[in-house]
Amino acid sequence: NAGVTQTPKFQVLKTGQSMTLQCAQDMNHEYMSWYRQDPGMGLRLIHYSVGAGITDQGEVPNGYNVSRSTTEDFPLRLLSAAPSQTSVYFCASRPGHLNSPLHFGNGTRLTVT
Amino acid sequence: AQSVTQLGSHVSVSEGALVLLRCNYSSSVPPYLFWYVQYPNQGLQLLLKYTSAATLVKGINGFEAEFKKSETSFHLTKPSAHMSDAAEYFCAVSFSGSARQLTFGSGTQLTVLP
Repeated sequence: NAGVTQTPKFQVLKTGQSMTLQCAQDMNHEYMSWYRQDPGMGLRLIHYSVGAGITDQGEVPNGYNVSRSTTEDFPLRLLSAAPSQTSVYFCASRPGHLNSPLHFGNGTRLTVT
Repeated sequence: AQSVTQLGSHVSVSEGALVLLRCNYSSSVPPYLFWYVQYPNQGLQLLLKYTSAATLVKGINGFEAEFKKSETSFHLTKPSAHMSDAAEYFCAVSFSGSARQLTFGSGTQLTVLP
């Protein structure tokens, strides 16, 4: 099992550019989510999905889109990058039950200039 | 509002000393509670979780945490710190009715001094 795989590991964008952060899991997990990590703020939930075809907003969804066409993949799209989106992004997945722990990818470090 | 608070953004201990990292939550209903660890340039790994079976939970690498309902706390401890314990630690909570969302504390950076 590869677990949760995120690509790319690093990315630099100019303000206004768009891009997609990829996330794939091979554990057949129902639940997938995207977090951003900023110093002193812990991890904040951007979007999440409880199954293929179902997505919902988290705490900080503005400026991001997601889709879940398959169980395995959950890409995060930045529509028009802004410096405030400079952060480390983590994708995570888990089985459906609420007490199951999250499995995290290794993160994507994004810088927007 | 439901929330989770980690007291102390930075904690330093000497090697061999007790590690105590604090976590408090606010909720009228006991939630599911987790501790995660993050080593530099890596994702988060699960240390341990509380799911209402036993109030004292043992995790990996010698860590344990005790759920205290009266204090709404879930503090993380380790009797003897090792240099390899230096990392950032996050408390996380799943609140009832939160649509499966996990809420994270702001993290505590643990430094272990030789």
